[in-house]
Amino acid sequence: QVQLQQSGPGLVKPSETLSLTCVVSGYSISSGYYWGWVRQPPGKGLEWIGTIYHTGSTSYNPSLESRLTISVDTSKNQFSLKLSSVTAADTAVYYCARGRMDFDYWGQGTLVTVSS
Amino acid sequence: QSALTQPASVSGSPGQSITISCTGTSSDIGAYNYVSWYQQHPGKAPKLIIYDVTKRPSGVSNRFSGSKSVNTASLTISGLQAEDESDYYCSSYTTSSTLVFGGGTKLTV
Repeated sequence: QVQLQQSGPGLVKPSETLSLTCVVSGYSISSGYYWGWVRQPPGKGLEWIGTIYHTGSTSYNPSLESRLTISVDTSKNQFSLKLSSVTAADTAVYYCARGRMDFDYWGQGTLVTVSS
Repeated sequence: QSALTQPASVSGSPGQSITISCTGTSSDIGAYNYVSWYQQHPGKAPKLIIYDVTKRPSGVSNRFSGSKSVNTASLTISGLQAEDESDYYCSSYTTSSTLVFGGGTKLTV
């Protein structure tokens, strides 16, 4: 059974960098599939952040691209999200997930609050 | 990229059928058959219930079905049950190789 386990701080200061990691179990990232991130501000809808392939090829949401880095570490079977220069507007539940056109397995979600 | 358009809310009685629409453009829904639907209960991660417009993942009830016409996709839930009360989101792959979600629809049973 594929499982995605997220980790990272729940509180980030304004202007700093938000960093989250998603460890995959039950499936080898090197075997294929795309892996992505989705966020959801409190009380609002889902927003696609970006995806990465095991080769390192990425696709980013144009509205976040200038601040965004998604990376993959196949040796640790994990992928990561870094979002720089955060503001209160980046406060959201962040999810990692497997897929590209659709997401079939999801992490548990991490509420990240941007506040001083 | 602009979000896909969904009604904010829909409602139905147990046993009835409802349809949720998801309107996009020729650059997303109209371009490919890569429309998906997710069910999200409060405090939970979204669950994939329809992919590639009409396909259901293993374990998803056949009461859920999807369709598409030009730039609008639809999710139909038949034989409504109390447990179907949830938020529903559509998504579509785009010609820019990105993904876009709808604003979400709250279903009240």
